[in-house]
Amino acid sequence: GAGVSQSPSNKVTEKGKDVELRCDPISGHTALYWYRQSLGQGLEFLIYFQGNSAPDKSGLPSDRFSAERTGGSVSTLTIQRTQQEDSAVYLCASSLVQGSGYTFGSGTRLTVV
Amino acid sequence: GESVGLHLPTLSVQEGDNSIINCAYSNSASDYFIWYKQESGKGPQFIIDIRSNMDKRQGQRVTVLLNKTVKHLSLQIAATQPGDSAVYFCADPGGSNYKLTFGKGTLLTVNP
Repeated sequence: GAGVSQSPSNKVTEKGKDVELRCDPISGHTALYWYRQSLGQGLEFLIYFQGNSAPDKSGLPSDRFSAERTGGSVSTLTIQRTQQEDSAVYLCASSLVQGSGYTFGSGTRLTVV
Repeated sequence: GESVGLHLPTLSVQEGDNSIINCAYSNSASDYFIWYKQESGKGPQFIIDIRSNMDKRQGQRVTVLLNKTVKHLSLQIAATQPGDSAVYFCADPGGSNYKLTFGKGTLLTVNP
């Protein structure tokens, strides 16, 4: 597609529920990133996928967070047993090559009540 | 730890004035910097980037200056318009070459 697409754009969930956030990167972009942006804060790196290489999961805040990328394209970020501190905007980005030309999606605003 | 930070959290300017947004970085090995603009409800949008072998780079109404001696970069917006109102971030992939480190951002408000 023309840009990075994320769904849903907004998600309200009850504490303890699991949620899945989806990212469709730009076609042909081999690199895909997830970031988290809390209210009034900068962006926090979560995870990075590059082609068929093992992902860099060093930014995932706990084992409740996981992500996968199927077929080198669509990625899903899953948060299990959501907590109120998980409330944030989750942003996905992709790039054609590692380290440059990042294009961000509009994000999923997650609210845990 | 290594970080990319911003000097001012907010900046208010009059329409038509020039705006300057500053950013300091601490990783002396950083060799690539990106400026992003984020409007409310949207993801960050690429504005301009600069590599460490350059001191200055110009785009359309924007200029980025890099001072490696004091590890500082700035974003200059000429003839600021209401549509420029947004949060501006500088970012640095750092030694990982892909893991962007962002500052908290500067909120630019353009008054008509």
